[in-house]
Amino acid sequence: EPEVTQTPSHQVTQMGQEVILRCVPISNHLYFYWYRQILGQKVEFLVSFYNNEISEKSEIFDDQFSVERPDGSNFTLKIRSTKLEDSAMYFCASLSPGQRPYEQYFGPGTRLTVT
Amino acid sequence: DAKTTQPPSMDCAEGRAANLPCNHSTISGNEYVYWYRQIHSQGPQYIIHGLKNNETNEMASLIITEDRKSSTLILPHATLRDTAVYYCIVRALAPGANNLFFGTGTRLTVIP
Repeated sequence: EPEVTQTPSHQVTQMGQEVILRCVPISNHLYFYWYRQILGQKVEFLVSFYNNEISEKSEIFDDQFSVERPDGSNFTLKIRSTKLEDSAMYFCASLSPGQRPYEQYFGPGTRLTVT
Repeated sequence: DAKTTQPPSMDCAEGRAANLPCNHSTISGNEYVYWYRQIHSQGPQYIIHGLKNNETNEMASLIITEDRKSSTLILPHATLRDTAVYYCIVRALAPGANNLFFGTGTRLTVIP
């Protein structure tokens, strides 16, 4: 069964550094998402992406964040200058518009640790 | 914000049915009830969804009350691998930027 993959599985970075989290969505999917989950808290929506532009973003997704689909397969989340509070699991998800029930398929996540 | 209310935790004996309740009293006419689960710190996994009729798939059954203000997810024969956090989410059935808003869910522990 096709699956969403994410790399790296764990990223450690120093405060103020830039990080790029990578995702490879399922190949025929057209909608892409990033969510994050701070340890012990709920999963929070960050941003959705379709047709090479952001469809919707939450208030968490401020100017420090950006997303990109640089080629036909990767979907990336960039954090320009990381803060301690960015430490979390980051999940990528994708969806096919032609496939009911329009379920989002999630990747295994990247654990980001900011020191 | 999540529009559902779920108990924070439940236990279930292995092999027995797990019944997870969810209240969604403000659900709109075009909104479906979706269930996802998250095993340990893995990515959430879709389980089942429904509008007003009861639904069953290979993973679970979903019972929605006639007034649609509440529902119950049933895992008919719970196994240890079903230990997870279960999320009940209401959303419209449409592709696109129908982002999922997760609440705190129910932490189900299946006991040997």
